[in-house]
Amino acid sequence: DAGVTQSPTHLIKTRGQQVTLRCSPKSGHDTVSWYQQALGQGPQFIFQYYEEEERQRGNFPDRFSGHQFPNYSSELNVNALLLGDSALYLCASSFGTGPYGELFFGEGSRLTVL
Amino acid sequence: DQQVKQNSPSLSVQEGRISILNCDYTNSMFDYFLWYKKYPAEGPTFLISISSIKDKNEDGRFTVFLNKSAKHLSLHIVPSQPGDSAVYFCAARRGGSNYKLTFGKGTLLTVNP
Repeated sequence: DAGVTQSPTHLIKTRGQQVTLRCSPKSGHDTVSWYQQALGQGPQFIFQYYEEEERQRGNFPDRFSGHQFPNYSSELNVNALLLGDSALYLCASSFGTGPYGELFFGEGSRLTVL
Repeated sequence: DQQVKQNSPSLSVQEGRISILNCDYTNSMFDYFLWYKKYPAEGPTFLISISSIKDKNEDGRFTVFLNKSAKHLSLHIVPSQPGDSAVYFCAARRGGSNYKLTFGKGTLLTVNP
């Protein structure tokens, strides 16, 4: 049973560029959330996708956008990259959006912006 | 505004002894609390949780205590094992959603053989 898979694992971009990160949820899960973990910080909620729609969003600018596909996989896009966007980006999946159901995290995509 | 605080960046204990990791929160709307463990190069993995209607939850060597009046929770690991060495994150959520968690900065636990 494959868990949450993310790609790429590492990438380097320069300021102003755009990046796309990908996530496949755990088998049987239909909800995907994205988190940003800066160095020395805990993960911060970016947004959540369910039924191919963004359902809730954290305190992140519009440069951060996403998409969910019919097979429940998801992409996170960041435009006009800033140095401060350097972080580990974590994808988490769950079944449904209700109060129960554990969040399963992927290993993350480490983005470095130069 | 950090709503979940883990004030100890690191903790070192001897194998077989008790590890106590602490967490404080400021948002009284939080109604569910979780602990995650994270090894290097891996994603966080769920460890144990507690609802705000309880004051204790136990799972094997792991026990979480919640003091609502003090807005404080703690994770006890007894006995500690070298394999428990990892970063431990305290997280909280409010309302009915399972996906929007507010995390603390984490505590690096080192269990020495």
